[in-house]
Amino acid sequence: DAEITQSPRHKITETGRQVTLACHQTWNHNNMFWYRQDLGHGLRLIHYSYGVQDTNKGEVSDGYSVSRSNTEDLPLTLESAASSQTSVYFCASSETNYGYTFGSGTRLTVV
Amino acid sequence: TQLLEQSPQFLSIQEGENLTVYCNSSSVFSSLQWYRQEPGEGPVLLVTVVTGGEVKKLKRLTFQFGDARKDSSLHITAAQPGDTGLYLCAAPAMDTGRRALTFGSGTRLQVQP
Repeated sequence: DAEITQSPRHKITETGRQVTLACHQTWNHNNMFWYRQDLGHGLRLIHYSYGVQDTNKGEVSDGYSVSRSNTEDLPLTLESAASSQTSVYFCASSETNYGYTFGSGTRLTVV
Repeated sequence: TQLLEQSPQFLSIQEGENLTVYCNSSSVFSSLQWYRQEPGEGPVLLVTVVTGGEVKKLKRLTFQFGDARKDSSLHITAAQPGDTGLYLCAAPAMDTGRRALTFGSGTRLQVQP
């Protein structure tokens, strides 16, 4: 069965370190997205991609980067982790705007 | 950035009660989606509504898209503990060319047995 997987599920890192969160989907979807979820803010868009070599900034992209070298993967990199980036991160994929498939999330703590 | 406002933020009810949650905006949307999220998991799509005035039913859940396509409601009949979760509405974001979704902050529902 097709799926979307995120790894790791939990991560603790220190302030200033570079961190990469993985997202891998086997749906063969062109569109992939990264969101962060914080209490009181819902899901906020970080970066998104409509296909290989395409990346776009979302509402809260500062301090984050993505790259899309193939259809299946959209890794999210925190260049220099900050405490404000402690959050739950969700990756999603879709073929259209009529429904996203989400991963199970990565809980990141920056200490 | 257009905002989706959801109300109420929290709702705690007894099993068997009915409830309605709302999603409102000042913007017109081409479509609107509802998701349910359980603790420790990602949101799961429940329904997409596209046409103004549209009503969709999913077992005990009834979804309505407002005539002006600025608002939507989710009504649950005879709520069960399994309905517990965070309900999120989402719509295509204008500042992404409508190719990414913007989400409301959600309604957290708890159904007590």
